[in-house]
Amino acid sequence: GAVVSQHPSWVICKSGTSVKIECRSLDFQATTMFWYRQFPKQSLMLMATSNEGSKATYEQGVEKDKFLINHASLTLSTLTVTSAHPEDSSFYICSAREQGGKTQYFGPGTRLLVL
Amino acid sequence: GDSVTQMEGPVTLSEEAFLTINCTYTATGYPSLFWYVQYPGEGLQLLLKATKADDKGSNKGFEATYRKETTSFHLEKGSVQVSDSAVYFCAQAGSARQLTFGSGTQLTVLP
Repeated sequence: GAVVSQHPSWVICKSGTSVKIECRSLDFQATTMFWYRQFPKQSLMLMATSNEGSKATYEQGVEKDKFLINHASLTLSTLTVTSAHPEDSSFYICSAREQGGKTQYFGPGTRLLVL
Repeated sequence: GDSVTQMEGPVTLSEEAFLTINCTYTATGYPSLFWYVQYPGEGLQLLLKATKADDKGSNKGFEATYRKETTSFHLEKGSVQVSDSAVYFCAQAGSARQLTFGSGTQLTVLP
């Protein structure tokens, strides 16, 4: 149980384009989803927290107009990187948590390369 | 603020050696503590957790005990295998239940 999927697993795009990453909880209802960013050989940095049906809460320093998060249902959250630039290249990981739960379950990650 | 400090790597061991990865935390209140493992090119998998003082989390031969007096949650395994090679992250979740991660420790187990 507690499986989280991400799609796509790899994406390469040109600078200036937008990229959408999906995060799905497959066998539970995720009232809260989290989006992280991980640079090579570094830890995960929380970008934003989203609760189903409400606006995401962004961490300090994360541009909400650049990283659009939508959590429209209890099993799906999306992260859209708008007008991507090479410095946005990174490993993006989502996690999901049930209502009242303490444990976050992580997706397999999406590697983004912006050329 | 809340933080997690874990032993810097990389750590290289021979198969069947004993493993310890140190982790300490600072927090207001009593957080839940976690160890996550990340295999190459993959996301994080929950390895074990403990939610209150003196709890011991265990899974796949790994153990960690929540020590409030030393604010520690050290990861141990008595006999590592090549398949244990991965990056290990210690993390805490406070009252807001957001995770704060340590910097990660790369473990390589040689046959």
